[in-house]
Amino acid sequence: GAVVSQHPSRVICKSGTSVKIECRSLDFQATTMFWYRQFPKQSLMLMATSNEGSKATYEQGVEKDKFLINHASLTLSTLTVTSAHPEDSSFYICSARGFRQNTEAFFGQGTRLTVV
Amino acid sequence: EDQVTQSPEALRLQEGESSSLNCSYTVSGLRGLFWYRQDPGKGPEFLFTLYSAGEEKEKERLKATLTKKESFLHITAPKPEDSATYLCAVQDNNDMRFGAGTRLTVKP
Repeated sequence: GAVVSQHPSRVICKSGTSVKIECRSLDFQATTMFWYRQFPKQSLMLMATSNEGSKATYEQGVEKDKFLINHASLTLSTLTVTSAHPEDSSFYICSARGFRQNTEAFFGQGTRLTVV
Repeated sequence: EDQVTQSPEALRLQEGESSSLNCSYTVSGLRGLFWYRQDPGKGPEFLFTLYSAGEEKEKERLKATLTKKESFLHITAPKPEDSATYLCAVQDNNDMRFGAGTRLTVKP
């Protein structure tokens, strides 16, 4: 399958600081990228969908000013958690899909964010 | 709104004991149904895509089937290394939404 690289895998930051998570498709062009959040023993909750060159579409209840998503190229999307708080601590996972809308998406390894 | 419901929430099997996992869905315009496997602390790993009712796909001990309302993931003679959380997801026009998953434990 296609490879999606997510970085960093773990990050610890102080309350009030911002953290950027990168998601790269290594061997295909990702026209669509998804960002998910996952709490322990729960499923993936879709946060936002981004298409290359367009503004991200956020799910209801997700603060777009807090979770900044940039999808500036066909191989890179970033999620920036701004002014992080302890309740933002979670497992964040990105996935990427090629230009055909009904094909599978491939996932990054996830980022464990801990805000102290 | 699209809904994806997986059952059971957790399943414990003895090695070699075959079983099935269920994924029920409601979606306006299914573009695809996907099965993933997720190990703790890792991103989901793609298993299957199903597009239309009646379709079946197999991979080693796993077989996925699809009807108009649900999908089954059949596990034949499972091994301890099959222990994981199995997630199904449905896609409509653009979004991919996941069920809560089934945590499978296979005991030797």
